[in-house]
Amino acid sequence: EVQLVESGGGLVKPGGSLRLSCAASGFTFSNAWMSWVRQAPGKGLEWVGHIKSKADGGTTDYAAPVKGRFTVSRDDSKNTLYLQMYTLKTEDTAVYYCSTGYYYGSRDFQHWGQGTLVTVSS
Amino acid sequence: QSALTQPASVSGSPGQSITISCTGTSSDVGDYKYVSWYQQHPGKAPKLMIYEVSNRPSGVSNRFSGSQSGNTASLTISGLQAEDEADYYCSSYTSSSTSVFGTGTKVTVL
Repeated sequence: EVQLVESGGGLVKPGGSLRLSCAASGFTFSNAWMSWVRQAPGKGLEWVGHIKSKADGGTTDYAAPVKGRFTVSRDDSKNTLYLQMYTLKTEDTAVYYCSTGYYYGSRDFQHWGQGTLVTVSS
Repeated sequence: QSALTQPASVSGSPGQSITISCTGTSSDVGDYKYVSWYQQHPGKAPKLMIYEVSNRPSGVSNRFSGSQSGNTASLTISGLQAEDEADYYCSSYTSSSTSVFGTGTKVTVL
């Protein structure tokens, strides 16, 4: 059974930094494209960024609002995905989900974690 | 990359069929067969209902179907049931190698 477990959320001041982790199990993590998706309170889903498998280049892509401030990385030896967030803004307040697709390399979001809440407030 | 456009709300009576539209551009919906649809109940993580325009993951009811024409994709729910009341989002891969979600549609079962 696929499991994704996020951690690392919490309260941070504007301008601060935070690192989220996503522990994966139940599938071959190294083969999977992994994504972060967020949802602000009472709002819709917003794609944050992804990292491709090393076989597909291991490259990252980001949504415009976070590009240059957020970094997605992975440790295939630990089956763990990361989201390093810098220069946080109040509008980054959201539940952050990690997700992976229906099959390796698919561009959809089949499996989701439970989410971790990030609150950016002074 | 702007969010894909969905109607804010759609409603129907039990047993009826409803369709939710998702309008993008030639750089996303119109350019790729990577449109997917998600159902989200309050306080829950989203659930994949349709992938690659019209494919249903195993375990998803065949009452859910997807299609695409040009820059617009659609999700149809037939035989509407009370449990279908939820928020629905479309998503598409884009020419920039990013993904984008739709604005979301609240489905109400009357």
